[in-house]
Amino acid sequence: DGGITQSPKYLFRKEGQNVTLSCEQNLNHDAMYWYRQDPGQGLRLIYYSQIVNDFQKGDIAEGYSVSREKKESFPLTVTSAQKNPTAFYLCASSMGQGSDIQYFGAGTRLSVL
Amino acid sequence: AQSVTQPDIHITVSEGASLELRCNYSYGATPYLFWYVQSPGQGLQLLLKYFSGDTLVQGIKGFEAEFKRSQSSFNLRKPSVHWSDAAEYFCAVGPWGDKIIFGKGTRLHILP
Repeated sequence: DGGITQSPKYLFRKEGQNVTLSCEQNLNHDAMYWYRQDPGQGLRLIYYSQIVNDFQKGDIAEGYSVSREKKESFPLTVTSAQKNPTAFYLCASSMGQGSDIQYFGAGTRLSVL
Repeated sequence: AQSVTQPDIHITVSEGASLELRCNYSYGATPYLFWYVQSPGQGLQLLLKYFSGDTLVQGIKGFEAEFKRSQSSFNLRKPSVHWSDAAEYFCAVGPWGDKIIFGKGTRLHILP
């Protein structure tokens, strides 16, 4: 089955710790996106990548980092600089244009211990 | 600046009743418009999209939406809701560069 796989489904972070959320797609999509979802806030864009080895900051990139070494993978690291990391994180992919349909993974819920 | 507004944070309807979820947007040209649905703890699923052509768009699960340029709206409708339609619904507009903009969502509750 083609799709987007996010792992883990639940993740806990200790103070001062960096954690990495995985996102893998087998749709052969060029573009990938990371969103943060908080209750009542909708989806806010963290980072996105239109092509391998290139990525751009979204609206709330501070305290996060990404890499895009392979077309199918776009991991997100939540660093210790992100002081309020508790949220639901969604990864998406699309063919590559801003107008394209985005396909979403099932999400990772990150909580702070 | 481009924006998307979903005026209703929560909507409650009885099972079998009709539904309309509102979406208004601000965009400098003819936009691409989307409606997505999210079940609790899950990712988003595309319900329907408008790119061009017929302004009444049919989607999955019996949903439809109508693009009204004069009102800058793209409201989602369903003639008869089912308990399984309880979810959060997001309207989105693009392109904005390489991105699309999501509204803050409307949570739909269904009364038995």
